[in-house]
Amino acid sequence: NAGVTQTPKFQVLKTGQSMTLQCAQDMNHEYMSWYRQDPGMGLRLIHYSVGAGITDQGEVPNGYNVSRSTTEDFPLRLLSAAPSQTSVYFCASSTGVSTEAFFGQGTRLTVV
Amino acid sequence: TQLLEQSPQFLSIQEGENLTVYCNSSSVFSSLQWYRQEPGEGPVLLVTVVTGGEVKKLKRLTFQFGDARKDSSLHITAAQTGDTGLYLCAGVYQTGANNLFFGTGTRLTVIP
Repeated sequence: NAGVTQTPKFQVLKTGQSMTLQCAQDMNHEYMSWYRQDPGMGLRLIHYSVGAGITDQGEVPNGYNVSRSTTEDFPLRLLSAAPSQTSVYFCASSTGVSTEAFFGQGTRLTVV
Repeated sequence: TQLLEQSPQFLSIQEGENLTVYCNSSSVFSSLQWYRQEPGEGPVLLVTVVTGGEVKKLKRLTFQFGDARKDSSLHITAAQTGDTGLYLCAGVYQTGANNLFFGTGTRLTVIP
């Protein structure tokens, strides 16, 4: 059972660099989302998608882009990394009928 | 931004003791979930409560949803070292929506 797979697990970027965090799920879930987790702040929603071709902004979307060309994949792009984007990023999916979210193992990103 | 506060933020107790964690909001939830997160992993769903006043039990864990659906509590009886982790509540504010708004978390340490 793969579930939700995130890559890479760890990443260090220099300020101004760009990168894509990958997320794939094999459960045929319609709903996918990206969160960032910072100490003392819980998880905050960055972007989400209710199905292929449809994306929308969450609470903290600035500095991030997403696309959803297939049901399985939901990559998160950082166009110009900033130290404020240092965080642990989680991708999650759910059926769209149930609100139970299945999370990946996270990507720990450090921007120096 | 929806505000969902958890208390306490940190809790350290001896094995065998009881504890309660609280999750509060000024807004009404459509449903509320509790997750547990281990270090280096994504959150894993423990329970979903939907009806005001609802009580659900999961072995030694008892979850209660407030009558007004604005608050929830998690009670652990006779804590064990395996209960150590970060406990997160997450609210859904709109029926039919899948966006989860997470609380700030309670980090529980159970000392043998």
